[in-house]
Amino acid sequence: GENVEQHPSTLSVQEGDSAVIKCTYSDSASNYFPWYKQELGKGPQLIIDIRSNVGEKKDQRIAVTLNKTAKHFSLHITETQPEDSAVYFCAAKYDRGSTLGRLYFGRGTQLTVWP
Amino acid sequence: DTAVSQTPKYLVTQMGNDKSIKCEQNLGHDTMYWYKQDSKKFLKIMFSYNNKELIINETVPNRFSPKSPDKAHLNLHINSLELGDSAVYFCASSPPGLPGGDTQYFGPGTRLTVL
Repeated sequence: GENVEQHPSTLSVQEGDSAVIKCTYSDSASNYFPWYKQELGKGPQLIIDIRSNVGEKKDQRIAVTLNKTAKHFSLHITETQPEDSAVYFCAAKYDRGSTLGRLYFGRGTQLTVWP
Repeated sequence: DTAVSQTPKYLVTQMGNDKSIKCEQNLGHDTMYWYKQDSKKFLKIMFSYNNKELIINETVPNRFSPKSPDKAHLNLHINSLELGDSAVYFCASSPPGLPGGDTQYFGPGTRLTVL
């Protein structure tokens, strides 16, 4: 199966600075890479995703990059704000046999943005 | 306009009891999932159903039994609860396409505490 590694596990930044979270995956067959944000007491919410035929995608202050050769993808948040504080999860989707539609999650990054 | 809803939000019970968690989605999705999130925030898939048919069944004790009466509902019944079952349980759904379309939408979670 797939194995997704996520770093760092905790990240503290000053408001206005940028934050970068990195993930690697093991199976070159993975073709979809979403990022989820989980606020305290809530369920994970999709914030951005990228497919394997695209190298970069941007949505306002959030961007995701994908390097298929190196099997890694990253989340970039610019001009961070205190409300960006949350746990962020990367995931990789692996479609093979009985694991159709399965997302493999990284272990999460606790992002804290200090005012 | 709730998308994925779960009941109850909190569940406190004694070891050995049997309990159920209910999940409903009004998004018209075909695939539904149950995840377990432990105290370290790790998200682990337990089950997935597509159009009421089980497609993912991870290594979960058989005390856990999912039931899908229709494609909008996926309930989780747990027999003989143990201390280690304490966690937050999330239901999710994803749209049609391959069994398990790409984007998964999560419910708010049910925090289960076994005493």
